[in-house]
Amino acid sequence: GDSVTQMEGPVTLSEEAFLTINCTYTATGYPSLFWYVQYPGEGLQLLLKATKADDKGSNKGFEATYRKETTSFHLEKGSVQVSDSAVYFCALSDSSYDKVIFGPGTSLSVIP
Amino acid sequence: DAMVIQNPRYQVTQFGKPVTLSCSQTLNHNVMYWYQQKSSQAPKLLFHYYDKDFNNEADTPDNFQSRRPNTSFCFLDIRSPGLGDAAMYLCATSAEGQTGVTEKLFFGSGTQLSVL
Repeated sequence: GDSVTQMEGPVTLSEEAFLTINCTYTATGYPSLFWYVQYPGEGLQLLLKATKADDKGSNKGFEATYRKETTSFHLEKGSVQVSDSAVYFCALSDSSYDKVIFGPGTSLSVIP
Repeated sequence: DAMVIQNPRYQVTQFGKPVTLSCSQTLNHNVMYWYQQKSSQAPKLLFHYYDKDFNNEADTPDNFQSRRPNTSFCFLDIRSPGLGDAAMYLCATSAEGQTGVTEKLFFGSGTQLSVL
């Protein structure tokens, strides 16, 4: 079945450091890809998305590019802030069903 | 401003004592989901409703049931909670149709369930 794999955390970075969180997926169809973020004590929020190959999703300084050839959707940010500390989930949605499958999540801590 | 509201925020129940978690939405979305999220793990889909059409995941235990009396409300019933059912339960909604790709989920803040 479809699945999502993420790099294991926790990840700890200093403020203004560069962030990469790797994500790869397995899907039988042509999925849409997402990054969701979960701040402490809150539900998940959509951070960005890409619906087809080579699309780049971006929001709040975060970017991810849909790479069909490598089945990847890595999350990047050039300069992280303390307020970016959260858990980040890579996810996919396949056209064959109306549900979203999540990766295991990567915890990010940004220290001043 | 809250669009998907879950109550209560924290729920404590006893082993084997039935418990109901509630979710309401002001978005008028036709699809509602229940996810179970254990510590440091991905949210796991339990079931979802497309309007009144109930869709159970194959590996969701029979101990978990759901009701959706109208568009706005959805309930998660755990008939006989075990210690392993302690988790965060997340409700989510989306507006996409059954044959379309779900592109965005709107989540509530979750209910943290403890089983004593």
